[in-house]
Order: sequence, then C-alpha cells, then structure tokens
Amino acid sequence: QKEVEQDPGPLSVPEGAIVSLNCTYSNSAFQYFMWYRQYSRKGPELLMYTYSSGNKEDGRFTAQVDKSSKYISLFIRDSQPSDSATYLCAMSYPNAGGTSYGKLTFGQGTILTVHP
Amino acid sequence: NAGVTQTPKFRVLKTGQSMTLLCAQDMNHEYMYWYRQDPGMGLRLIHYSVGEGTTAKGEVPDGYNVSRLKKQNFLLGLESAAPSQTSVYFCASSYAGWTEAFFGQGTRLTVV
Repeated sequence: QKEVEQDPGPLSVPEGAIVSLNCTYSNSAFQYFMWYRQYSRKGPELLMYTYSSGNKEDGRFTAQVDKSSKYISLFIRDSQPSDSATYLCAMSYPNAGGTSYGKLTFGQGTILTVHP
Repeated sequence: NAGVTQTPKFRVLKTGQSMTLLCAQDMNHEYMYWYRQDPGMGLRLIHYSVGEGTTAKGEVPDGYNVSRLKKQNFLLGLESAAPSQTSVYFCASSYAGWTEAFFGQGTRLTVV
C-alpha cells in the first residue's frame, strides 16, 4: 500500500465550477501537508502549505486537513481555464533522527481540465 | 536568480549506455532530491541528499547512483540504461525535509 493515495482522475469541469481534490495517507507521522501545481512540461510549484488540522484559505484556493481521518483536500472556487494542470499532494514529517530525514512523499497527481 | 537548473533537458539513449544528469541549485539548500515521473505514478523518489557528501535511497533507487560532492550540485547516474528508465526526471531542493521544495524544469529521457 502506498503511503499517500490520490485519485488520478482525470477531472474535467466547466469554468466557474467548484473543484475538490483529495488525498488519503496511512503514515500518522506526517505533519506537513502541501499541494503542488504542475503545468504541462513544467516542474511542480508549491500552491498551498499547511501543518495543522483545519482550513487554510488563499484567494480561490482552500486547503483542508483532517489528521484524525488522515485525509487532505484542496478546493478551488470559481475555477478558471488557467487552473488546468496536474495537482499533486505531498506530505512530510520532521527529522526523527537516524535515517528519517523528513523527505517529501507525493501522491499520484490529479489531472484537472477546466473548459470555457 | 536561477533556482534549480537541470542539464540536459532532453536525451535519447540506447540500451546499455550510461549517462549523468546534473542538477544545480543556487539557494544554498541542504536537501536535494531526484524524482522520476511516469504517467499515473506521480513523483517517485529515486535518491536524495540531506547535505554535502551524503546520499540516501528513496522509493525506486535500483539502476541509479548519485553523488553530492558539492552542496550546490546533485548528480544522477545511469550506469547501464534500460527502456524501463524512460521517464521524466525532476531534481528538487529544499531548506529542510518539511519545507517547500523547488523543482527544476525536468529532463525527458528516452531509452531505446
């Protein structure tokens, strides 16, 4: 079983729709949660970062973390064609010493297309 | 500010050939990573480094070697390329393992 599971989609929505992207994880040590956005033929770029349960909002984007359920979500309001990209969730944990260096673990990525 | 730079951007190899991918970062980051990205598989960690002179295995290390002789550079080597290593390779760096990772633009490698 992969440590981080993400529905790969693809997901196709009309402009203006609310988009919900989700990831589940199995490692309760994860404490830092991120969403990256990757445009075609580009490297991923950080979109949202959070380290606590609850919601974090940034413009049209809201990141939600539920540590008790080991579940994170990204909501996109009023989606735009420019939001068309692959969205990757990523998780990490603090340096626990030894060989655990808190490296990032990614989900499979969800391909999102917003059509006009 | 260049960020993370990967060389080369594209490469075609024949089975059995060797090559080295170079990653350079100018942000003075301690952590550097090599990922491969395949359709439906997301980003899978090959090897990573937590500082100059250190390396560690990731999720899919077989067939690859790495070196971090200088803090700003992280090299990924393929000693005997196989078609299964056809992929897009991304290098990334970060201040720490739990902070934002900055990615390069990727290297598209095809092994025929």
